[in-house]
Amino acid sequence: DIQMTQSPASLSASVGDTVTITCRASQAISNSLAWYQQKPGKAPNLLLYAVSGLQSGVPSRFSGSGSGTDYTLTITSLQPEDCATYYCQQYYDTPALTFGGGTTVEIK
Amino acid sequence: QVQLVQSGAEVRKPGASVKVSCQASGYAFTNYGIHWVRQAPGQGLEWMGWISAYNGNTNYAQRIQGRVTMTTDTSTNTAYMDLRGLKSDDTAVYFCARDPSRLGPTIFDYWGQGTLVTVSS
Repeated sequence: DIQMTQSPASLSASVGDTVTITCRASQAISNSLAWYQQKPGKAPNLLLYAVSGLQSGVPSRFSGSGSGTDYTLTITSLQPEDCATYYCQQYYDTPALTFGGGTTVEIK
Repeated sequence: QVQLVQSGAEVRKPGASVKVSCQASGYAFTNYGIHWVRQAPGQGLEWMGWISAYNGNTNYAQRIQGRVTMTTDTSTNTAYMDLRGLKSDDTAVYFCARDPSRLGPTIFDYWGQGTLVTVSS
């Protein structure tokens, strides 16, 4: 299975900051990457697919980039409601879908 | 609007089985797939498997293959996940999630609310 490694595991930032989360795959995944946001006690929510495709209803302050094995999620102008855990997920190696370990974003 | 509504919390003893349901509404059920994803307490997300509501094809994670069966009932737009031989480390919240593809596992665009399964003697 393809291993997905996220960094950092957690971060703390202020409202209005730009935050970047990194996801590295153990092999190239040809842009088959999605990002999810999960708030405590809730189901995850799809943010981005195919690296940079914004899911309907997701604010434009969320963006994605990357290629090959390295991908990033950027939150521009962090808002209080962005306090959550973020997961990357690869769907290149189907059917063995895998998630990253998660990055918890806290507001200072 | 798209909704996935799951069955309620379950408690089982080790070695028992559990069957969780996921009733879909607000879209054409047979045009999509359904995944099952679980999350142990305080842990990350683990993909368990996928079923096409279009043709019933399934793919299961190697780690649980042999203990899990996923099915759908297209007459009630409901997906089911049956897990057998339960162990304490199967204690988790189990989510169903829709896949926008009916032909193969990709991403998860809508999620159920989750079902807590507790395995304890």
